[in-house]
Amino acid sequence: EPEVTQTPSHQVTQMGQEVILRCVPISNHLYFYWYRQILGQKVEFLVSFYNNEISEKSEIFDDQFSVERPDGSNFTLKIRSTKLEDSAMYFCASSESSGASYEQYFGPGTRLTVT
Amino acid sequence: AQSVAQPEDQVNVAEGNPLTVKCTYSVSGNPYLFWYVQYPNRGLQFLLKYITGDNLVKGSYGFEAEFNKSQTSFHLKKPSALVSDSALYFCAVRDIYSGAGSYQLTFGKGTKLSVIP
Repeated sequence: EPEVTQTPSHQVTQMGQEVILRCVPISNHLYFYWYRQILGQKVEFLVSFYNNEISEKSEIFDDQFSVERPDGSNFTLKIRSTKLEDSAMYFCASSESSGASYEQYFGPGTRLTVT
Repeated sequence: AQSVAQPEDQVNVAEGNPLTVKCTYSVSGNPYLFWYVQYPNRGLQFLLKYITGDNLVKGSYGFEAEFNKSQTSFHLKKPSALVSDSALYFCAVRDIYSGAGSYQLTFGKGTKLSVIP
């Protein structure tokens, strides 16, 4: 069964450093998403991406964040200057279509620890 | 704004007994509702969804969920729990009237299910 994959599984970085989290969505999916979950809190939407453009973003997704699809398979989330409060589990997801009835398929997550 | 509440942080059930994991939602329009499960060190796995039609939805691994519009609930159920069902369960909602191009899911905080042998 096709899966969303994410690398690395765990990233430790120092405050102020740039990090890039990588995702490979399911191959025939066209819509891509990033969510995050701070320890003990809800899973929160960050951004959705389609046709090489951001479709929607939340208040969390400020100028420190960016997304890119550098090639036909990868989808990345970049945090330019990490803060302590960016420590969280980051989930990538993809869906076949944007229709509200289509479920999103999630990767295993990258745990980001900012020290 | 849409929101989801999972009132129980943890549910304990004996193996073989029926289980229920509760979820209530709030949306301005009509909801699309989803259940996901997360096993340790794994991503969120889709279990089932309610879009329209029959209020009882059947999904993966013998799980089902009942949509109740008057109570704005979408409780997850299974007639006979297995130890392997022990995991973290998330309810999520999408408001079909949240605006054109709105793709985001809104999640509850999750309920840890422990099935005791």
